[in-house]
Amino acid sequence: DVKVTQSSRYLVKRTGEKVFLECVQDMDHENMFWYRQDPGLGLRLIYFSYDVKMKEKGDIPEGYSVSREKKERFSLILESASTNQTSMYLCASRDLTHGNEKLFFGSGTQLSVL
Amino acid sequence: AQSVTQLDSHVSVSEGTPVLLRCNYSSSYSPSLFWYVQHPNKGLQLLLKYTSAATLVKGINGFEAEFKKSETSFHLTKPSAHMSDAAEYFCVVSPLSSASKIIFGSGTRLSIRP
Repeated sequence: DVKVTQSSRYLVKRTGEKVFLECVQDMDHENMFWYRQDPGLGLRLIYFSYDVKMKEKGDIPEGYSVSREKKERFSLILESASTNQTSMYLCASRDLTHGNEKLFFGSGTQLSVL
Repeated sequence: AQSVTQLDSHVSVSEGTPVLLRCNYSSSYSPSLFWYVQHPNKGLQLLLKYTSAATLVKGINGFEAEFKKSETSFHLTKPSAHMSDAAEYFCVVSPLSSASKIIFGSGTRLSIRP
């Protein structure tokens, strides 16, 4: 089975801290995504990557950056955490093999910024 | 550009009655369309997906959805609601392109009355 692994299930950080959220997938997928999930707002796309070192902004990139130095790892960085970044963060990867699209999700990281 | 609109933030039905969750989309490319379900404090589970084969798609747990290109809709239905169907449902659009965003709707919370 494909696995998408997020490094932490729960994180508590202080305002102004630099925060790294890590996501690793083990099936050589080119596409990876970072979302945040908030009640009533669904999942909103922060950034996505379609290959190593390639990234595109999603709908809410402000306050975030990403890094994709290796194909299996896609990192989300909060340069200076703020309380409005308290949220559930979900990583996903996409398999487009043979035109049969499949999405795979990590279990999420609940980030609290105090 | 692509977008997805879930027309109802909350739907409440009685057990045993039909369910209709509405979704409209826009996409520059022929999209894949998905419905995901999320039960409280659980991860996302794929209900069904449309990928340009049959326009009527059958999913798990008795759910189905019909792709209507002329109406740009992909509504989710179930003939008879069960208490276990109470959850949050997300409509998702994904253009079949490796360098494209996957966009989630804001979600519809389904409540089931006994």
